[in-house]
Amino acid sequence: SQQGEEDPQALSIQEGENATMNCSYKTSINNLQWYRQNSGRGLVHLILIRSNEREKHSGRLRVTLDTSKKSSSLLITASRAADTASYFCATDKNTGGFKTIFGAGTRLFVKA
Amino acid sequence: EPEVTQTPSHQVTQMGQEVILRCVPISNHLYFYWYRQILGQKVEFLVSFYNNEISEKSEIFDDQFSVERPDGSNFTLKIRSTKLEDSAMYFCASRPQGYGYTFGSGTRLTVV
Repeated sequence: SQQGEEDPQALSIQEGENATMNCSYKTSINNLQWYRQNSGRGLVHLILIRSNEREKHSGRLRVTLDTSKKSSSLLITASRAADTASYFCATDKNTGGFKTIFGAGTRLFVKA
Repeated sequence: EPEVTQTPSHQVTQMGQEVILRCVPISNHLYFYWYRQILGQKVEFLVSFYNNEISEKSEIFDDQFSVERPDGSNFTLKIRSTKLEDSAMYFCASRPQGYGYTFGSGTRLTVV
């Protein structure tokens, strides 16, 4: 499979619940990024976590990175209807290349 | 907050015609990119541009495509002889080294 694969493909939860999305990748990375995309819009950068970091927080977002398992998770706590979007992980290889590989995304639907 | 600006937001073109998609990246960013997203599919890397030259390109970015930074602020993607399968959202992005991308809102290209 491609570098940066999210799991699950789709997730439906109630407002107030936590949402967890996972990302797996295959090759060594320099950093991993998470983005949100509302339908038909551009991608919005959420968090970048470097390969020497294990956890990062930003507001209601918590990202973990396990380089030994080549995986990352994005946790959104106390979800809101406005969090409804697609979420993508993306990886920069550590070879110094200029290319970022995006996964297929997780479609999150938060019911009010 | 600085933005990446893309024009036009929607372009309809006849098959075989040439189109130019325009972008104004964030002025103090050094790295510029074009990505595309076919409806409902992954965000695909096309090309990266650094120091006034292409630094990396994907297999999608063949002789049909070219990029230019004609005047130090604009960043353009030219698609020659468009095909039906070129229909997609095209996103321009810029970033400082080692940080996440700032994406534009995209140009929806429809080839008829």
